[in-house]
Amino acid sequence: AQRVTQPEKLLSVFKGAPVELKCNYSYSGSPELFWYVQYSRQRLQLLLRHISRESIKGFTADLNKGETSFHLKKPFAQEEDSAMYYCALSGEGYGGSQGNLIFGKGTKLSVKP
Amino acid sequence: AAGVIQSPRHLIKEKRETATLKCYPIPRHDTVYWYQQGPGQDPQFLISFYEKMQSDKGSIPDRFSAQQFSDYHSELNMSSLELGDSALYFCASSYGQGMETQYFGPGTRLLVL
Repeated sequence: AQRVTQPEKLLSVFKGAPVELKCNYSYSGSPELFWYVQYSRQRLQLLLRHISRESIKGFTADLNKGETSFHLKKPFAQEEDSAMYYCALSGEGYGGSQGNLIFGKGTKLSVKP
Repeated sequence: AAGVIQSPRHLIKEKRETATLKCYPIPRHDTVYWYQQGPGQDPQFLISFYEKMQSDKGSIPDRFSAQQFSDYHSELNMSSLELGDSALYFCASSYGQGMETQYFGPGTRLLVL
């Protein structure tokens, strides 16, 4: 079964501290993994995807197929990073096609001054 | 840059009424996805369209239907509304289907009384 697990509902850190948001997935094929961010009262925005291997706003994520993980990391958290973070997987759809996103439950990151 | 547009942004309906949600994808995007996000929940995939044809189907109730029109906008029709349909409904668009990046609209917040 396709599944995305984000074990932490809430993560609270102080400004300047390192951040790691955990994401594990279950998928039999070759998935595409994404991190989306949702700031307060705003739309879901793509933060990064593993295939592009970019670093956005200082965040990075490495796909570890052995551990089926795609953890999001940032060395020094900023207050403006406070938001809801969703890990998502794109894979085989219900009808056999690919594309629909399967989201984790999300982790709320709170960065304190 | 133009983003995904959804209308209305807020909608209040009574039980057993019908509702129509509209989604206007980013220009030149040919794929539309609908997601439902209940209070405190992760977004759940409902249905998607590629080139005006349904491409995938998720956990969409039989009371709901959707279509994509010749100008690529999409409408989600919801009938016999129930209290449990109260949620944030996101539309996302992409260019091509498969693992292309999906860009989300601001969502329509539906409240069923």
